[in-house]
Amino acid sequence: SQTIHQWPATLVQPVGSPLSLECTVEGTSNPNLYWYRQAAGRGLQLLFYSVGIGQISSEVPQNLSASRPQDRQFILSSKKLLLSDSGFYLCAWSAGTVVSNQPQHFGDGTRLSIL
Amino acid sequence: ILNVEQSPQSLHVQEGDSTNFTCSFPSSNFYALHWYRWETAKSPEALFVMTLNGDEKKKGRISATLNTKEGYSYLYIKGSQPEDSATYLCAFMTTDSWGKLQFGAGTQVVVTP
Repeated sequence: SQTIHQWPATLVQPVGSPLSLECTVEGTSNPNLYWYRQAAGRGLQLLFYSVGIGQISSEVPQNLSASRPQDRQFILSSKKLLLSDSGFYLCAWSAGTVVSNQPQHFGDGTRLSIL
Repeated sequence: ILNVEQSPQSLHVQEGDSTNFTCSFPSSNFYALHWYRWETAKSPEALFVMTLNGDEKKKGRISATLNTKEGYSYLYIKGSQPEDSATYLCAFMTTDSWGKLQFGAGTQVVVTP
């Protein structure tokens, strides 16, 4: 069966520090991969999605970036965190073509607090 | 930005009662409507993916209907139980969104014994 792992679960970082959140999927190949953020009291906002290795689409202009160095690995990064980067980050994957009726499967999320 | 709205934002239900809530979305270029259940301290779990106007899906005591012409979906919980307490998210996809889901803010359901 397929599983998704996301880490760390919680992270407290000072303003201006770098960030690296990692997500890996097991049990499937060539998944579509997504990074979402949920700010307090708001819905899930899509940050990045990827349909293949090295293919990243950015949805929201910001100081975050994403990379997909391997088929089932998706990394969210920042060189310098801002206070506004605080929030709950979720990684997700889906099967099939990106435009399909397949559900998305989510990791457990990372609670990021910026001090 | 295409908006999806969920109402109510939250609701409290007595154990054993049935309830329903709404997801509204733009009806143009519709492709699919997703429902997810998000329990506290867990990850969102897919409930339904609906694509056809008039679609009805059921999973145990939870069911959903879809009206793509008027742009809404209802989620029903029959005989609510405490384990149904969660935030229910809907998300929709259009034919020109390249697979991107637009999520609503969710309806938080609290079922009290």
